[in-house]
Amino acid sequence: NAGVTQTPKFQVLKTGQSMTLQCAQDMNHNSMYWYRQDPGMGLRLIYYSASEGTTDKGEVPNGYNVSRLNKREFSLRLESAAPSQTSVYFCASNRGGVQETQYFGPGTRLLVL
Amino acid sequence: KQEVTQIPAALSVPEGENLVLNCSFTDSAIYNLQWFRQDPGKGLTSLLLIQSSQREQTSGRLNASLDKSSGRSTLYIAASQPGDSATYLCAPGGGADGLTFGKGTHLIIQP
Repeated sequence: NAGVTQTPKFQVLKTGQSMTLQCAQDMNHNSMYWYRQDPGMGLRLIYYSASEGTTDKGEVPNGYNVSRLNKREFSLRLESAAPSQTSVYFCASNRGGVQETQYFGPGTRLLVL
Repeated sequence: KQEVTQIPAALSVPEGENLVLNCSFTDSAIYNLQWFRQDPGKGLTSLLLIQSSQREQTSGRLNASLDKSSGRSTLYIAASQPGDSATYLCAPGGGADGLTFGKGTHLIIQP
């Protein structure tokens, strides 16, 4: 099993450009999450999808949109990138419910100039 | 809002030592707590998940304890090895809306 996959691995954008980060899981998980990791800040939740067809804001949603395309895929979109969005983005998934382990993808490193 | 503190922020010890990494959190209304390992430039790997009703969980040389009422968890690593070098992250889970992470303990095991 591939687990949680993310594309691209690395991206450089100019301020104002848009892009979509892709995430897919092959574990038949119900819930999916997007986090960002910044030096000295730890990981922070951007958006999550508790089940197919639902999405909710996390701690730091401003400047982002998400789409739960189907049960496998959860994308994160930056409509107009800003230097403050330079970060490493991680997607995670679990079966759903509060007792379940979260599984993480390898991350997307984004640099906004 | 949940606040998570991990102590120490960094630790460097010779191989073979037993280690204790500490995690404290401010909101004891959690469902579980996960410990993760992160290698440089990589994603997170789940090490242990302790349910709120449990006191501890063990996997090989790792043992994690949870004292929910006092807002504390510890990760004990026995007989440390150079391959244990990584950043260890603590993350209490308050519900279906994801985890709250500490900033981690950066661990170096000297051969």
